[in-house]
Amino acid sequence: DAKTTQPPSMDCAEGRAANLPCNHSTISGNEYVYWYRQIHSQGPQYIIHGLKNNETNEMASLIITEDRKSSTLILPHATLRDTAVYYCIVSLTGGGNKLTFGTGTQLKVEL
Amino acid sequence: GAGVSQSPRYKVAKRGQDVALRCDPISGHVSLFWYQQALGQGPEFLTYFQNEAQLDKSGLPSDRFFAERPEGSVSTLKIQRTQQEDSAVYLCASSLAVTDMNTEAFFGQGTRLTVV
Repeated sequence: DAKTTQPPSMDCAEGRAANLPCNHSTISGNEYVYWYRQIHSQGPQYIIHGLKNNETNEMASLIITEDRKSSTLILPHATLRDTAVYYCIVSLTGGGNKLTFGTGTQLKVEL
Repeated sequence: GAGVSQSPRYKVAKRGQDVALRCDPISGHVSLFWYQQALGQGPEFLTYFQNEAQLDKSGLPSDRFFAERPEGSVSTLKIQRTQQEDSAVYLCASSLAVTDMNTEAFFGQGTRLTVV
């Protein structure tokens, strides 16, 4: 699996958009970009994934660059409950593929 | 239940003791994974089951670690002769299918193992 690089930490004011970057310059053509988050003392939670097109769901938006070497997860209106570690993972799709987590980005949403 | 259930939530074991950690995946989920998460680190893959078949155990750190899923539903991760370096959170995850493009992994809350 390709390796990802994320900043170790970020801060965001409540109500503002949180933009979390991820570099994955060695991603293969058939690998997807997945985002999970882990709130303190809980298991990771799926957020969104995509191959090359931008994706949006009720939780977030995923913007993938045209060369697919980087992506940005956008939380449009961050709340205190979005404080968590966010993991960017590249993986083949399908429920049978293991996830290779890095150390992620600790997002702290503040008043 | 609606989600992945793990028990116990917390386990304290004396060094050298054997432990068994249980995972109840979401009903009908074919794929089941175990991960180990050390303090301040991301989860690391241990082993993978497709139904009752253990297809990948490349992440198990030593032969003291053993996992099973005999009927393709509940899984148990067993650690023999626990050592202090085994202290971690052990996470279980399940997925509905194997090759479906839109199948994400659902994680349990984990079992925090402390070896003293």
